[in-house]
Amino acid sequence: NAGVTQTPKFQVLKTGQSMTLQCAQDMNHEYMSWYRQDPGMGLRLIHYSVGAGITDQGEVPNGYNVSRSTTEDFPLRLLSAAPSQTSVYFCASSFNREAYEQYFGPGTRLTVT
Amino acid sequence: AQTVTQSQPEMSVQEAETVTLSCTYDTSENNYYLFWYKQPPSRQMILVIRQEAYKQQNATENRFSVNFQKAAKSFSLKISDSQLGDTAMYFCAFMRYIQGAQKLVFGQGTRLTINP
Repeated sequence: NAGVTQTPKFQVLKTGQSMTLQCAQDMNHEYMSWYRQDPGMGLRLIHYSVGAGITDQGEVPNGYNVSRSTTEDFPLRLLSAAPSQTSVYFCASSFNREAYEQYFGPGTRLTVT
Repeated sequence: AQTVTQSQPEMSVQEAETVTLSCTYDTSENNYYLFWYKQPPSRQMILVIRQEAYKQQNATENRFSVNFQKAAKSFSLKISDSQLGDTAMYFCAFMRYIQGAQKLVFGQGTRLTINP
C-alpha cells in the first residue's frame, strides 16, 4: 500500500491563480480531511469528508473548496490564491468516522506571492 | 471551544536523558481521545501514542509514556532514554466527535532537540 499520497510536494503560485492539491489513499478509508500548518501553530482542519459525495467544513474553510467523487481521492481547490494561504497542507485519512487513528500524507508546501 | 496548549516552544536534552513535554487542554466533554504526534524534518506526521479519556491507566509505547490527569486536563509525554532520532516537533492533539465526525485540534508544538 502507498498509504496517503499528495501531489505536488512544492508549489509556488501568484496571487489570484487557482490550483488543485491532490490527495489519494489506497486503504479504502471512508474518512478524509485536509489540514494546514502555519509556522508556530499546529495543524488546523480545513475540510473533511465522511464518505464519497459527503463533505463538510472544518475550522478554517474560507478560500478552499473540496469534493469527494470517489473513496480514494479528496482534492483541495484554491479558487483565487492569496498570500495568507501560504502554508504546508496535509491530507489525512482514517478507516471511518469513528476511527481514532488518522494517517497523514507527506504534505504540500505552497507559497503564494 | 476546545483548545490545546503546549507551553514549551523548545526543549533540548542530552542523548539518553529523560524528557517530559507538557500539554494542557480545555473541554467540557467527557469522552475524547488525546494524542502525541511527532513531526521530524521530513514533515511526516507520525502518531507516537494515544490515550482514551475513559481509561484511567496511562498509555505506554516502548520508551514513550504519558501522564494523563483528567481532572487537571493535563496530558504530558515522557520520553525515556532519549535518542538522536527523537529530534522533532511534537504536537499534542485532542480529538472530538462532532455530528458523528472526528475532528483533531492540535497544540502549537514543542521543538525537541536531542544532543549527542
